[in-house]
Amino acid sequence: QQQVKQSPQSLIVQKGGISIINCAYENTAFDYFPWYQQFPGKGPALLIAIRPDVSEKKEGRFTISFNKSAKQFSLHIMDSQPGDSATYFCAASEVGGGADGLTFGKGTHLIIQP
Amino acid sequence: DAGVIQSPRHEVTEMGQEVTLRCKPISGHNSLFWYRQTMMRGLELLIYFNNNVPIDDSGMPEDRFSAKMPNASFSTLKIQPSEPRDSAVYFCASSAVRALGEKLFFGSGTQLSVL
Repeated sequence: QQQVKQSPQSLIVQKGGISIINCAYENTAFDYFPWYQQFPGKGPALLIAIRPDVSEKKEGRFTISFNKSAKQFSLHIMDSQPGDSATYFCAASEVGGGADGLTFGKGTHLIIQP
Repeated sequence: DAGVIQSPRHEVTEMGQEVTLRCKPISGHNSLFWYRQTMMRGLELLIYFNNNVPIDDSGMPEDRFSAKMPNASFSTLKIQPSEPRDSAVYFCASSAVRALGEKLFFGSGTQLSVL
């Protein structure tokens, strides 16, 4: 059972464009939604995270949009750069859960073309 | 801090052999996790330790897999006997405490190939 569904599986965006990755979930007990970024040969690293009490969180060129009623959240990368080329994972965990409760999406392989 | 350290970075072995993957978590972190990454299944949590005690091993695929954490600074994941379907990247991760929103710190992984 896939608790967090992520799309697309792969994405190619031109430099300067907007990259958008979407995730959907079913478990209404999820209360924390992080995004992890993974470069080739490295482990994932926390990029940005959101709690459901806000609809948007922005850090530099990276923005999470959250729609609680639709049970969806997305990552937007503005002015995408070749250095943003990586695999991105969305994740979710429940109230009272720790990092052991993180459920990851299957990942999106993002390529930014120069 | 050097971060989470895993060894070896790459392991190539033949089917039936024993494989041992090693992990040194970040000093002071109380929680340690072993994940497996494949194209088909993404990131899967195999086992989770808190204060060196295994808390949840429900993700361990078979009895061929075992994990230990003899002290706060070292953990191993062993596969015996290994099979070609075990080929994957295995990550160790640690976090400071067990709390909502706690950040996971991943190592660089071990690329395992079982021939």
